[in-house]
Amino acid sequence: QVQLVESGGGVVQPGRSLRLSCAASGFTFRNHAMHWVRQAPGKGLEWVAVISYDGSNKYYADSVRGRFTISRDNSENTLYLQMNSLRAEDTAVYYCAREEWGKVYFDYWGQGTLVTVSS
Amino acid sequence: QSALTQPASVSGSPGQSITISCTGTSSDVGGYNYISWYQQHPGKAPKLMIYDVSNRPSGASNRFSGSKSGNTASLTISGLQAEDEADYYCSSYTSSGTRVFGTGTKVTVL
Repeated sequence: QVQLVESGGGVVQPGRSLRLSCAASGFTFRNHAMHWVRQAPGKGLEWVAVISYDGSNKYYADSVRGRFTISRDNSENTLYLQMNSLRAEDTAVYYCAREEWGKVYFDYWGQGTLVTVSS
Repeated sequence: QSALTQPASVSGSPGQSITISCTGTSSDVGGYNYISWYQQHPGKAPKLMIYDVSNRPSGASNRFSGSKSGNTASLTISGLQAEDEADYYCSSYTSSGTRVFGTGTKVTVL
């Protein structure tokens, strides 16, 4: 069965960095584009970034472009989100989500990891 | 990258039908048939309910249906049940290659 397990969340001071990981299992990871989606406490979903199946294409939301970097290691079946210059408004639960092959929707989601940016 | 516009809340009695709208622009909703809908219960991850405007994945109830007209997509829940009480989000592909979510709609079963 498809499993996505995020890790790496925690409390971090403004301006510092954090790297999130998403361990994938139960499917052929290298065949799927992957996304990060976040949800601030009590707020709606916000799309963050996408990386193509082979890592050659990446797109970002305006709110994180230049500060966040999405990457993947297909040999380790792991997705990453490097978050630099963190701000209070980056506080959220971060979900990784799989994109169905050749499609444009999120068919599987992880349970999320909470990032809190606070001094 | 403005969020798609959804009503903040929609309510209905058990057995009734409700419809949630999702309004964007010609650069997202109106430009592509890549509209999907997600259900989220409190403290849980979102769940795919509709993809490509009107297709239902296995595991999603056939009481859920989707449509689109111009820059507005819609999700209809028929035969409303207590378990349908949740937050619902639409999502669209955009002309920039990014994705965008709707503002979210809280569905209440009276």
